[in-house]
Amino acid sequence: QKEVEQDPGPLSVPEGAIVSLNCTYSNSAFQYFMWYRQYSRKGPELLMYTYSSGNKEDGRFTAQVDKSSKYISLFIRDSQPSDSATYLCAIREGSNYKLTFGKGTLLTVNP
Amino acid sequence: ETGVTQTPRHLVMGMTNKKSLKCEQHLGHNAMYWYKQSAKKPLELMFVYNFKEQTENNSVPSRFSPECPNSSHLFLHLHTLQPEDSALYLCASSQGPGSDTGELFFGEGSRLTVL
Repeated sequence: QKEVEQDPGPLSVPEGAIVSLNCTYSNSAFQYFMWYRQYSRKGPELLMYTYSSGNKEDGRFTAQVDKSSKYISLFIRDSQPSDSATYLCAIREGSNYKLTFGKGTLLTVNP
Repeated sequence: ETGVTQTPRHLVMGMTNKKSLKCEQHLGHNAMYWYKQSAKKPLELMFVYNFKEQTENNSVPSRFSPECPNSSHLFLHLHTLQPEDSALYLCASSQGPGSDTGELFFGEGSRLTVL
């Protein structure tokens, strides 16, 4: 079983839709959970970072972590064409700086 | 210049060529990384340098040779590559082990095509 599973999509939604992106993981030692956003022809950039189970909001973005199910989600409310990008989940253990990435989900928001 | 800068952005090389990718970070970070990004695959960590010392080599073939002369510069020397090595090579930096989030700051990548 791969350490981090993420559906690569592609996912296409109309403008204004609520988007749900998900990852599952197998290593219960993972403690830090991140979402990176990668625009076409650019490097990934950190979008959201969470440490514990629960929700974290930042504007239209909500990151959710369920450690008991080993499941993380990123919700995008009122999606915009500018949200079109690849979203990568990244997870790491407590003391280990190494990140384990999902494959990334390609999202297109159509005007 | 700010952030992490990678050159060249695009590179086409034959299997017998020797070329190098360059990365420079202007963030004052202590750690630098090389990642390989291929279609439909997760980002693959290749090498990690912390304070110029290599701390990780993720079973990368010897045709990839990293060099880190100082904490701001990182090179990836390429020789006798295979077509399956065609990918986007991303350089990243971070404050290093022990930092709060371990956030990686990526460059825009070097798109490599091996003919």
